[in-house]
Amino acid sequence: EVQLVESGGGLVQPGGSLRVSCAASGFTFSHYEMNWVRQAPGRGLEWVSYISTSGSTIYYADSVKGRFTFSRDNAKNSLYLQMNSLRAEDTAVYYCARRREGFDIWGQGTMVTVSS
Amino acid sequence: SYELTQPPSVSVSPGQTASITCSGDKLGDTYVCWYQQKPGQSPVLVIYQDSKRPSGIPERFSGSNSGNTATLTISGTQAMDAADYYCQAWDSNTVVFGGGTKLTVL
Repeated sequence: EVQLVESGGGLVQPGGSLRVSCAASGFTFSHYEMNWVRQAPGRGLEWVSYISTSGSTIYYADSVKGRFTFSRDNAKNSLYLQMNSLRAEDTAVYYCARRREGFDIWGQGTMVTVSS
Repeated sequence: SYELTQPPSVSVSPGQTASITCSGDKLGDTYVCWYQQKPGQSPVLVIYQDSKRPSGIPERFSGSNSGNTATLTISGTQAMDAADYYCQAWDSNTVVFGGGTKLTVL
């Protein structure tokens, strides 16, 4: 079964750091570009970041640029999003999504709450 | 930055046709995708490359894109189609989502 499973979410104080992960299975992970998309409570979808198949090309939304770092380990079929200098407005469900023709596979999401 | 504009809500009667629009500058020059999201669930891709349906998506879902507007059309709308729908496009090296449209079937 093709699957993406996020983990690592939780409660963190403003200014703190957190790393969320995404484990892929059921497909040749290294062949696919991947993305993070987030959704604040009661709000719409917001794209966060993109990574190429090799990890050599990464793009970020302006809202997270300089604070978040997206990486991948093709040997472990895993994605990582390192989030630093977290703000209240970063509170959201974070989804990893496979890019094929559109974002065709999504994980179940992991909740990140930034609050004191 | 590039923006995609969707109506906040659309209502349709069961069996009728629902149309959800997505507007952006010269949107017809790029491919648009559409996602369906039901409460508490992850988004699901329903249309890619303007008008193509992924495997498993019912034929009642169709899409078009021309000029400044892309449209998701649901023919013979069913109660199970009630959801939030988001359009999405690429702009340079970033991904843009529309604000979402809540489809009510009543």
